[in-house]
Amino acid sequence: NAGVTQTPKFQVLKTGQSMTLQCAQDMNHNSMYWYRQDPGMGLRLIYYSASEGTTDKGEVPNGYNVSRLNKREFSLRLESAAPSQTSVYFCASSVRPTQYGYTFGSGTRLTVV
Amino acid sequence: GESVGLHLPTLSVQEGDNSIINCAYSNSASDYFIWYKQESGKGPQFIIDIRSNMDKRQGQRVTVLLNKTVKHLSLQIAATQPGDSAVYFCAVNWGGGANAGGTSYGKLTFGQGTILTVHP
Repeated sequence: NAGVTQTPKFQVLKTGQSMTLQCAQDMNHNSMYWYRQDPGMGLRLIYYSASEGTTDKGEVPNGYNVSRLNKREFSLRLESAAPSQTSVYFCASSVRPTQYGYTFGSGTRLTVV
Repeated sequence: GESVGLHLPTLSVQEGDNSIINCAYSNSASDYFIWYKQESGKGPQFIIDIRSNMDKRQGQRVTVLLNKTVKHLSLQIAATQPGDSAVYFCAVNWGGGANAGGTSYGKLTFGQGTILTVHP
């Protein structure tokens, strides 16, 4: 099993550009999450999808949008990138919303210049 | 809300020693705690978890201790190996709520991480 796959692994954007981070899981998990990781800040939840067809804001949703395309895929979109969005982004999934042993992807390192 | 802190940002040990990584949390309503390991260039990997109705839980070479009185969590790694070198995060759930569809969810708050370095 591949687990949670994120693409791309690295990306450099100019301020104001847009892009979509892709995430797919092959474990038949119901719930999916997007986190960002910044030095000294730990992991912070951006958006999550408790189940197919639902999405909700997390701790730091401003500047982002998400789409739960189907049960497998959960994408994160930056409409107008800002330097403050320079970070490492992780997608995760779990069997159900209240199961916390999330499986994480390997991350996307995004730099906004 | 929940804030999570770590007592030491870095920890260096010799191979074969036991390692102890600590984590403090602030919300007495927190009911579930997880330790993750993150190696360079990879996503966090689940190590062990514990619920608030327990004080101790053991896995393979790892033990998690929970002291709810002082809101303190620790991860003990026995016979630390070079492969244990990584960043270790604690994550704490403090309840969350229900979304518009009525589905319950938790809210994990992650600590900042402790860098563990194991010297051969």
